[in-house]
Amino acid sequence: DIVLTQSPALAVSLGQRATISCRASQSVSTSSYNLMHWYQQKPGEQPKLLIYDASNLASGIPVRFSGSGSGTDFTLTINPVQADDIATYYCQQSRELPLTFGSGTKLEIK
Amino acid sequence: EVQLVESGGGLVQPGRSLKLSCAASGFTFSNYYMAWVRQAPKKGLEWVATISTSGSRTYYPDSVKGRFTISRDNAKSSLYLQMNSLKSEDTATYYCARFITGGHYFDYWGQGVMVTVSS
Repeated sequence: DIVLTQSPALAVSLGQRATISCRASQSVSTSSYNLMHWYQQKPGEQPKLLIYDASNLASGIPVRFSGSGSGTDFTLTINPVQADDIATYYCQQSRELPLTFGSGTKLEIK
Repeated sequence: EVQLVESGGGLVQPGRSLKLSCAASGFTFSNYYMAWVRQAPKKGLEWVATISTSGSRTYYPDSVKGRFTISRDNAKSSLYLQMNSLKSEDTATYYCARFITGGHYFDYWGQGVMVTVSS
C-alpha cells in the first residue's frame, strides 16, 4: 500500500501563508497526471474536496487555496490564512489501489 | 445541488450485520461511480468500497473484502453497504461519496452515519 505522511499539526498567524505537505512512500504520478488530492474537514463536518490531480482547484473553492507537487512530494498552500480555514487537511492518492489517505494535518492559529 | 444522505447506522454486536443506505439527489446518479469512506473516532479517513455505474464492478481494501458488499439501485438513486461479521475496529462514521473516475477522487460527501460495534 502507498503510505502518505503528513505532519500532525501546523500553527500559522491569520493573514499569513500556510504550507501543508504530504509525502508518498512511492511515486503517485504517471506520465500525464499527478494523482494526489486534498480535502478539508472542519470539526463535526464531512470532508470537502479542495484540490484534485495535485493542482486543480475544485468547484467553489477560493483561489487562496492552491496545490503543487509531483512524484512523492506534494504541497497544499493557503494564502492568506483566514479564521474559517481552521480544519484538518488530508491528502489522498489514487495512483493504485487501495486508495489511501494521509493521517491529516490540523491547522491551528497562532 | 448535490445531496447525499446516509442512514441505517447504530449500535450492533460483534459478529452481527448492518446495512447502510445513501440517498442521492441533485445529479444523475446512474452516471457516476459511488463509494464509501469511513472514519474511526478521532482518526483519519479510510476508503471502504467503490462501485461502478452499473454495479457490475466493485472494489474493496483487504480490511473489509469478503465481509462488506457495496451495491446500488439506479432506479432509486440509492447506494448501499452491507456489512457482515462486524468487528470492533469497524466502529466509525461512514460517509457516502461521489467518486470521480478520471482522477479517482471523491468530489461530494454525505454528512455521515455512525456505526458502533460493541457488546
